[in-house]
Amino acid sequence: EAGVAQSPRYKIIEKRQSVAFWCNPISGHATLYWYQQILGQGPKLLIQFQNNGVVDDSQLPKDRFSAERLKGVDSTLKIQPAKLEDSAVYLCASSLSLGLAPFAYNEQFFGPGTRLTVL
Amino acid sequence: DQQVKQNSPSLSVQEGRISILNCDYTNSMFDYFLWYKKYPAEGPTFLISISSIKDKNEDGRFTVFLNKSAKHLSLHIVPSQPGDSAVYFCAASMRVETSGSRLTFGEGTQLTVNP
Repeated sequence: EAGVAQSPRYKIIEKRQSVAFWCNPISGHATLYWYQQILGQGPKLLIQFQNNGVVDDSQLPKDRFSAERLKGVDSTLKIQPAKLEDSAVYLCASSLSLGLAPFAYNEQFFGPGTRLTVL
Repeated sequence: DQQVKQNSPSLSVQEGRISILNCDYTNSMFDYFLWYKKYPAEGPTFLISISSIKDKNEDGRFTVFLNKSAKHLSLHIVPSQPGDSAVYFCAASMRVETSGSRLTFGEGTQLTVNP
């Protein structure tokens, strides 16, 4: 079974430029997540999709970040315009479903990430 | 507001000995806890988990202990092997009405197992 695919793996841009990242989740996984991992910190959830709908974007800086999952499969995360503090690894993850049962958890499978450097 | 904290950025142990990685949390609403392992240039991979209604879960060489009163969990690796060298993230899950659950990660601990 193929894992979560992400591209590009590395990106270097100047501040105020735009950038986009792509993610293809594991086949059949309805839930897709984008995380930001700044150096020395753990991953932080930016946005979560269930099929093609957003179910959690409370931690997404909406003035510059946007994401879509139009057909409920692959997804794109965009930053426009980028700031120096956006330098981080952007991780995409997917899971079978939301995992609504109490005291249970639906495992998230992570892609390799895209390392963004903003100069 | 750091709700999940791993106070040790790094840990070095000898092969064959026990590795103990620690994690503290502040939010009583967390109901599930996980450990993820991350190698360089790869995404985190799930290692082991524990529900908040349990105090121990064991899987081979890996055991996770949960002390709810202290809001503390730990991961024990026995015996440690050089291939265990990686960054270990503690994560806690909380129920969210609209999205099912949300994971909050600690900062990670770099484990180095020396041959």
